[in-house]
Amino acid sequence: KNQVEQSPQSLIILEGKNCTLQCNYTVSPFSNLRWYKQDTGRGPVSLTIMTFSENTKSNGRYTATLDADTKQSSLHITASQLSDSASYICVVSEADSWGKLQFGAGTQVVVTP
Amino acid sequence: GAGVSQSPSNKVTEKGKDVELRCDPISGHTALYWYRQSLGQGLEFLIYFQGNSAPDKSGLPSDRFSAERTGGSVSTLTIQRTQQEDSAVYLCASSITGGRDSNQPQHFGDGTRLSIL
Repeated sequence: KNQVEQSPQSLIILEGKNCTLQCNYTVSPFSNLRWYKQDTGRGPVSLTIMTFSENTKSNGRYTATLDADTKQSSLHITASQLSDSASYICVVSEADSWGKLQFGAGTQVVVTP
Repeated sequence: GAGVSQSPSNKVTEKGKDVELRCDPISGHTALYWYRQSLGQGLEFLIYFQGNSAPDKSGLPSDRFSAERTGGSVSTLTIQRTQQEDSAVYLCASSITGGRDSNQPQHFGDGTRLSIL
């Protein structure tokens, strides 16, 4: 069973609107949680990395939150742009794991004009 | 370039052949990772290198898969006697340092798309 679950699987939003993606995980012990953006045919690009003690982290129009008690994270995209169309992947690192990452299946975001 | 470089970008081969995939990490990055992304599925970890040694090989799916890293830089992933289920995108990533509980960002290449006929 995948230890990182993302929702929704996909969504379509209008350019300029906001959206929020969800990530639930069961990975334990927990080290850190990352959000990646993956354009079609390209490798993932890191957006944010949060450790246990961090509740929120921003990278431009992307804001990630983390609740380590409930093992939930969200990624909020503000004022979406066409270039935000991509797959957004939640990734959780196990503690003591040499940086080995557990990947969610991703949320496919399509921004339309 | 300054990023992680992978070659070839695409590889089509017949079932039963051996293939070699190459990864050039970012200069100075000591940690190197291989992942596999099958169609419609998330990425899965294959192997991690710290320098030239591999502390974690736990993700290699079978003994047909092997990897090496030389000079603390270039890495090759070899798949022997390829099977159709090996078809996937193979991604390489590097980070400045690795080690347990590493919080360093991993920088990914664009992958090698492997198709087994």
